[in-house]
Amino acid sequence: EIVMTQSPGTLSVSPGERATLSCRASQSVGSNLAWYQQKPGQAPRLLIYGASTRATGLPARFSGSGSGTEFTLTISSLQSEDFAVYYCQQYNNWRELTFGGGTKVEIK
Amino acid sequence: QVQLQESGPGLVKPSETLSLTCTVSGGSISYYYWSWIRQPPGKGLEWIGYIYYIGSTNYNPSLKSRVTISVDTSKNQFSLKLSSVTAADTAVYYCARGRNPDVWGKGTTVTVSS
Repeated sequence: EIVMTQSPGTLSVSPGERATLSCRASQSVGSNLAWYQQKPGQAPRLLIYGASTRATGLPARFSGSGSGTEFTLTISSLQSEDFAVYYCQQYNNWRELTFGGGTKVEIK
Repeated sequence: QVQLQESGPGLVKPSETLSLTCTVSGGSISYYYWSWIRQPPGKGLEWIGYIYYIGSTNYNPSLKSRVTISVDTSKNQFSLKLSSVTAADTAVYYCARGRNPDVWGKGTTVTVSS
């Protein structure tokens, strides 16, 4: 099993500030890494796949980077609608897909 | 645009089998992988398994002995069965398209209780 570890667990950020979320894999997943956003009571929404490719319609303030075992999701200037929980997921080991535990981005 | 809708009982008794169906509308079920993912109350996402439209499957090893995912291309549906459920299987169950899903259903809450 590839274990995905996200940090921090909670990130307190003021609107307009930059948010940097981390995701670490217990072994290399290449670029087979996705990021999701989940708001309360809603299904997750795909943001990034292939570690750095934005999903259709995603604002440019969201960017993904990294490869191998270290990945980052950056939100350049947080808007009110960006406060949510963010999950990373590896799909390199297609026999066993795994998610990180999530990072909650809250208003500071 | 493609939409997914989960359906099935919201309450299942312990030791019984949880059965859910996902109906795909606005597009074909063909040529895609289709996943089931769940989220216990207040917790993170757990992958259950996925099926390719021709019927090949992969399951979470921790659930493999209890899970069956099937597909009915004539109905544009795929289904989840989880046997011998316990309270630990109480969760919101999502169906989704792909192995890194780009389309998700809204989710359905399943409670395991007598």
